Amino acid sequence: NAGVTQTPKFRILKIGQSMTLQCAQDMNHNYMYWYRQDPGMGLKLIYYSVGAGITDKGEVPNGYNVSRSTTEDFPLRLELAAPSQTSVYFCASMEAGAGGQPQHFGDGTRLSIL
Amino acid sequence: AQSVTQLDSQVPVFEEAPVELRCNYSSSVSVYLFWYVQYPNQGLQLLLKYLSGSTLVKGINGFEAEFNKSQTSFHLRKPSVHISDTAEYFCAVTPRGTGNQFYFGTGTSLTVIP
Repeated sequence: NAGVTQTPKFRILKIGQSMTLQCAQDMNHNYMYWYRQDPGMGLKLIYYSVGAGITDKGEVPNGYNVSRSTTEDFPLRLELAAPSQTSVYFCASMEAGAGGQPQHFGDGTRLSIL
Repeated sequence: AQSVTQLDSQVPVFEEAPVELRCNYSSSVSVYLFWYVQYPNQGLQLLLKYLSGSTLVKGINGFEAEFNKSQTSFHLRKPSVHISDTAEYFCAVTPRGTGNQFYFGTGTSLTVIP
């Protein structure tokens, strides 16, 4: 059981380049999330989705875009990479329900913008 | 609005000693509470959660946490730590009833000293 799979694991980008961080889950979870983790700052929510075709902004959405065309996939797009986007990015998924379900995390994508 | 405060950013402790990692939260509604652990270069894994009932909850790897409603706290404890417990620990809350967004603390880095 793969759980949540993120690719790539590492990437270095030049300022102004674009890229897509991939996230896939095989648990048929409705909810999916993108976070960024900066040292000493915990996790900040970028975007989330409650189902295919539905996305919403989190706390720090500027500079990012997402789409959710299938239940399994939730890619995160950086259009014009900036040094401030150097971070570790985590994708998570969660089963829909009455509440109290935990989030399941991928192993992260470590992104450096130079 | 919800917020989570982890009072200690770094906690060093000798092997086989007890440890307590502190977590306080603020919320205008009732919440579910979680502790996650993050080992180096990995994503977050669920340690334990409090949904309702007994305020003392037990998790994996010998960890336990106690929910204190009056103090709005959810401290994590382990009576005897091992080297393998060295990791980052995150406290998180999600509102009851609309629990599709999680709010994380900034993390506590636990270092177990041989």
